[in-house]
Amino acid sequence: NAGVTQTPKFQVLKTGQSMTLQCAQDMNHNSMYWYRQDPGMGLRLIYYSASEGTTDKGEVPNGYNVSRLNKREFSLRLESAAPSQTSVYFCASSEQGWTDTQYFGPGTRLTVL
Amino acid sequence: GENVEQHPSTLSVQEGDSAVIKCTYSDSASNYFPWYKQELGKRPQLIIDIRSNVGEKKDQRIAVTLNKTAKHFSLHITETQPEDSAVYFCAAEGYSTLTFGKGTMLLVSP
Repeated sequence: NAGVTQTPKFQVLKTGQSMTLQCAQDMNHNSMYWYRQDPGMGLRLIYYSASEGTTDKGEVPNGYNVSRLNKREFSLRLESAAPSQTSVYFCASSEQGWTDTQYFGPGTRLTVL
Repeated sequence: GENVEQHPSTLSVQEGDSAVIKCTYSDSASNYFPWYKQELGKRPQLIIDIRSNVGEKKDQRIAVTLNKTAKHFSLHITETQPEDSAVYFCAAEGYSTLTFGKGTMLLVSP
C-alpha cells in the first residue's frame, strides 16, 4: 500500500496564479484532511471531509477550496495565490473521524512569489 | 475552539537522558490526545496516543500521562537516542476537531 500520496512535491507560483494540490489514499479511509504547516505554528487545519460527499471548513479556510472527488481523492485548490499562502501543505486521512490515527502524506512545499 | 499550548518549544538533552514535553488544553470534553513525531523534511507520524479513560500509557521508551482535572498531558521519553531528534506535536480532540500544539524541537546530542 502506498498510504497517502500527494502531488506535486514542490511548486512555485506567482501571485494571482491558481493551482490544485492532489491527494489520494489507498487505505479505504472515510475521513480526509488538509493542513498547512508554517514555522512555529504547528499544523493548522484548512478543510476536512468527514466522509465522501461532505466537506467542512477548518481553522484557516480563507483563500482555499476543496473537492472530495471520491472516497480516495481529496484536492485543495488555490484560486488566486498570495504570498501568505507560502507554506508546506499536508494531506491526511483517518479511518473514521477525529479520534482515529491520522496518516499523513509526504507534503507539498509551495512558494508564492 | 480548542486551545492547545505546548512547552518547551525547544529541548536539548544528552543521549541517555530523559525528555519531557508538556501540553495543556482548554476543552474539558476532550477525550483523545495523540502525539506525533516529525523528522526533518518528513511527514508527521503518530507515536503514541491516550484516551480520557486512561491516566498513563507506555510503549517501550515512550510514555504519555494525562491529568483531566488539570487539563494537561505530557510525553516522556527515557534513555534518549540521537534518532529521537525531531519535532514532536501534541494534539487534543475537542469542539469536533483535532487541534495541534505548535511543536517541540528535541535535540539529542551524542
